[in-house]
Amino acid sequence: KAGVTQTPRYLIKTRGQQVTLSCSPISGHRSVSWYQQTPGQGLQFLFEYFSETQRNKGNFPGRFSGRQFSNSRSEMNVSTLELGDSALYLCASSLEWGSRNEQFFGPGTRLTVL
Amino acid sequence: GEDVEQSLFLSVREGDSSVINCTYTDSSSTYLYWYKQEPGAGLQLLTYIFSNMDMKQDQRLTVLLNKKDKHLSLRIADTQTGDSAIYFCAESTTGGATNKLIFGTGTLLAVQP
Repeated sequence: KAGVTQTPRYLIKTRGQQVTLSCSPISGHRSVSWYQQTPGQGLQFLFEYFSETQRNKGNFPGRFSGRQFSNSRSEMNVSTLELGDSALYLCASSLEWGSRNEQFFGPGTRLTVL
Repeated sequence: GEDVEQSLFLSVREGDSSVINCTYTDSSSTYLYWYKQEPGAGLQLLTYIFSNMDMKQDQRLTVLLNKKDKHLSLRIADTQTGDSAIYFCAESTTGGATNKLIFGTGTLLAVQP
């Protein structure tokens, strides 16, 4: 069974631009979560989706948004990019929603903002 | 509040056992996880333990949970150079109505040949 895939793997953008990252969960998994990883802040929860609905959101500004499609694939969008948005963005999928579900991570998208 | 802490660095010799420690604050955590991250890669789920368990063993990995002290440890037996990576512990948050994980800062394990 294929793992979680994220595209693109690497992105370079400039300040003020916007970016869309994509995540395809493991086949059959219905829940997707997103995390931001930076050297200074570590791994921080962005948001999670289940059945095309955002279930929880972390403490990030409104420039960060996401959505989930009917096939469980998810996208996240960051508008008006800032230098501090440079990070590894990780997507995790799980079978269902709720804290009893193991989560499997993709390889991440490395975003660099210049 | 939610907080997970780990020591930053551990160095061991190949063949020795490694013990990575973690403390957490959420007394109602249901699951506690260990993830491994190699350079340039995502997170690999190694193992997890349910909060009503004391110990879980999976091949070279042993997880010990002291719920009273909110202390979690990961022991790697016969550590190999391929085990060199950053190890994160993570707790699931309360209530069950979320997949959100709270991660520790990560422990860099360096295995010397």
